[in-house]
Amino acid sequence: DVKVTQSSRYLVKRTGEKVFLECVQDMDHENMFWYRQDPGLGLRLIYFSYDVKMKEKGDIPEGYSVSREKKERFSLILESASTNQTSMYLCASSFSRLGLHDEQFFGPGTRLTVL
Amino acid sequence: DAKTTQPNSMESNEEEPVHLPCNHSTISGTDYIHWYRQLPSQGPEYVIHGLTSNVNNRMASLAIAEDRKSSTLILHRATLRDAAVYYCILTYNAGNMLTFGGGTRLMVKP
Repeated sequence: DVKVTQSSRYLVKRTGEKVFLECVQDMDHENMFWYRQDPGLGLRLIYFSYDVKMKEKGDIPEGYSVSREKKERFSLILESASTNQTSMYLCASSFSRLGLHDEQFFGPGTRLTVL
Repeated sequence: DAKTTQPNSMESNEEEPVHLPCNHSTISGTDYIHWYRQLPSQGPEYVIHGLTSNVNNRMASLAIAEDRKSSTLILHRATLRDAAVYYCILTYNAGNMLTFGGGTRLMVKP
């Protein structure tokens, strides 16, 4: 089974802190994605990566950065957390950029609260 | 971006078929139609996808209208474990991205 794991299920941070959310996939997928999910807004894409050290902005990249130093790991970074970044964060991966409509495999999510 | 419209919620009885509709009147010729579902406290899970022809897999069937402006996800026999939010999503060529709307909350009654 494809497994996408996220470092924490629940996280509480203070305004202004630097926050790292880690995601690891074990199926040698090329693509990895970070979404946030908020009530009434569905899932929104923050960033995605189709190769090591490659990244592209999604719909709502402001206030976030990402890092992909190894193929299996994709990190989401909140440089200075703010209360409006309180959300559920979901990581996903898919096989190949060439297979543009491959299914995405999601992790269980990290519920981040910024106080 | 082409958008989708789904009912907010639907109810079904256990072991009966369920038809979940989705309208996507602005779909372009290269958009694929994907369905994902999200069970409580879990990340979304892929269900099925298609382009023009109807599709079947072990989880569900996808019926796509001839003009592609609407589609229907069919669960042949609903179980309690199928209670989830079902998302209909269009994907386009530029990067395999998914844009999730509000989805349909399916409730299954025993």
